[in-house]
Amino acid sequence: DAKTTQPNSMESNEEEPVHLPCNHSTISGTDYIHWYRQLPSQGPEYVIHGLTSNVNNRMASLAIAEDRKSSTLILHRATLRDAAVYYCILRRFSGNTGKLIFGQGTTLQVKP
Amino acid sequence: EAGVVQSPRYKIIEKKQPVAFWCNPISGHNTLYWYRQNLGQGPELLIRYENEEAVDDSQLPKDRFSAERLKGVDSTLKIQPAELGDSAVYLCASSLMWGIGGTDTQYFGPGTRLTVL
Repeated sequence: DAKTTQPNSMESNEEEPVHLPCNHSTISGTDYIHWYRQLPSQGPEYVIHGLTSNVNNRMASLAIAEDRKSSTLILHRATLRDAAVYYCILRRFSGNTGKLIFGQGTTLQVKP
Repeated sequence: EAGVVQSPRYKIIEKKQPVAFWCNPISGHNTLYWYRQNLGQGPELLIRYENEEAVDDSQLPKDRFSAERLKGVDSTLKIQPAELGDSAVYLCASSLMWGIGGTDTQYFGPGTRLTVL
């Protein structure tokens, strides 16, 4: 399974945009890029996913580099509730595989 | 709509004792997953069910762990006997289907925090 590299931690101020980077230089053409986040004492929560094009939803935006070797999760206006561990995950489907493989993620702190 | 329900939320046992965790997935979700999350790490998949069938149990330590999903709805994960290293959070997740070209969203429960003394 292809690996992702994320910074261990990031800080942001409340109501400011946050850009969470993820490097995935060994991504293949069929790998989907998924983002999940995990708030304290909760299970992970789906945020967004994409394949090639940039994606937007009510929670965030996902910007994917043209060569797909990196991507950025964008929270347009951070709130205190966005403080969580953010996981960038590549999913490759082949036969019976394609599971989510979580790394250590980026711990985001949001300061008031 | 109710989310994934897990019980108990916390469990403390002595080593060598058995323990069981219960999961009720979101209604209509065919795929159910059990994950284990050690402190400071991301979750790791233990087993995936498609309806009643365990289709990926390659990461399940079969000497002491077992799981079942009777009738393709609720699921139980059991450890017998528990060891100190089994202390972790056990997460259950479900999705409508599996695969779908990489678009299946997994919904996680709050987890069961197991402490083995």
